[in-house]
Amino acid sequence: QVQLVQSGAEVKKPGSSVKVSCKASGGTFSSYAISWVRQAPGQGLEWMGGIIPIFGTANYAQKFQGRVTITADESTSTAYMELSSLRSEDTAVYYCARVEGDDILTGAFDIWGQGTMVTVSS
Amino acid sequence: DIVMTQSPDSLAVSLGERATINCKSSQSVLYSSNNKNYLAWYQQKPGQPPKLLIYWASTRESGVPDRFSGSGSGTDFTLTISSLQAEDVAVYYCQQYYSTPLFTFGPGTKVDIK
Repeated sequence: QVQLVQSGAEVKKPGSSVKVSCKASGGTFSSYAISWVRQAPGQGLEWMGGIIPIFGTANYAQKFQGRVTITADESTSTAYMELSSLRSEDTAVYYCARVEGDDILTGAFDIWGQGTMVTVSS
Repeated sequence: DIVMTQSPDSLAVSLGERATINCKSSQSVLYSSNNKNYLAWYQQKPGQPPKLLIYWASTRESGVPDRFSGSGSGTDFTLTISSLQAEDVAVYYCQQYYSTPLFTFGPGTKVDIK
């Protein structure tokens, strides 16, 4: 059974960057897209962007364009999400999720990482 | 972008009673070539990641109890819990995956015990 294991909690200063990793184990990594979703304290789910490792192409929500970079390393079955110019409003739990559908381009998010808490504070 | 709305924001239901959550998309998520609705439902309990319950609007994910069912087509969808159990207390989100590569979630509906 595929599992997604994320890196640990981070505390960052405003204006800095954070890079969160998401390692897949127990299954095929490249055949699926990976999305990143964040959840601010007490708030709902917000899709940030995603990548199809086999193509290496990433797509981003308009809100995060220019500030987020999503990459994948097929050799280690790991996806990364880097968010720059951090501000207090970026304090949230960041999740990676596997996209499962009829084709590689889209589908529901069937497997989720455990989440990574990122706190932005001076 | 496709905007998802949910109603109600929260509801309280007695144990064993039915809970109904509505989700509406700003444009149709029905793909005419395969007649599938690109709509999923998730359950999230405190301190846990979301869990996929329903995909293609009405297909239950493996292992999900059959008291959970999804219905609807086009722009209007419903998640029904036929007989609410204590372990169903959670926030429920709908999500569209029609406008690939962009995905959007609804704002969530909190379900509690009355």
